Amino acid sequence: GAVVSQHPSWVICKSGTSVKIECRSLDFQATTMFWYRQFPKQSLMLMATSNEGSKATYEQGVEKDKFLINHASLTLSTLTVTSAHPEDSSFYICSARGSSGSQETQYFGPGTRLLVL
Amino acid sequence: RKEVEQDPGPFNVPEGATVAFNCTYSNSASQSFFWYRQDCRKEPKLLMSVYSSGNEDGRFTAQLNRASQYISLLIRDSKLSDSATYLCVVNSLLNDYKLSFGAGTTVTVRA
Repeated sequence: GAVVSQHPSWVICKSGTSVKIECRSLDFQATTMFWYRQFPKQSLMLMATSNEGSKATYEQGVEKDKFLINHASLTLSTLTVTSAHPEDSSFYICSARGSSGSQETQYFGPGTRLLVL
Repeated sequence: RKEVEQDPGPFNVPEGATVAFNCTYSNSASQSFFWYRQDCRKEPKLLMSVYSSGNEDGRFTAQLNRASQYISLLIRDSKLSDSATYLCVVNSLLNDYKLSFGAGTTVTVRA
């Protein structure tokens, strides 16, 4: 399967700080990447679709001014959590579109755990 | 109603046992189906795609029933390393290939 990396894997920060998370596709070009958030014992929730060279598409209820997404190249998308608060503490995971056999699917990065104090 | 629903379990089984579980999906236009595995505090990893005719990958067998809109996963000869949460995932061209995730079924294999 395709390889997707994320950095950093852990972030602990003070309330009000902005945090930037990088997602990279290592061995393929990804015109579309996705950003998810997962709270404990819950399913992944899609936050936004990141499109190379254009604006991200946000899911309903996700504040675009708070979660800034930039997909500046075919291998890199970034998510910036601006003015993070404790309720933003979560597991943030990116993915990139790829193929499994004849079916289109997504390959996930290892995730970033954000803890806002 | 959630788009993908799964029995959360947990399914506690001894090594060597067979365990099976289902998920149901609500969107009849769903086109692609997958099982992902998620270990505790890790990202989901693709376990297998699910094809209409059913398919096997080693000890894992997946089935799709479009008429009843459910997908199943069967694990034979369970290993301790099979302990994980199994996510049922579907996508649809009509949903711009976004994946819809179930909340997961937890399987614990004991020695």
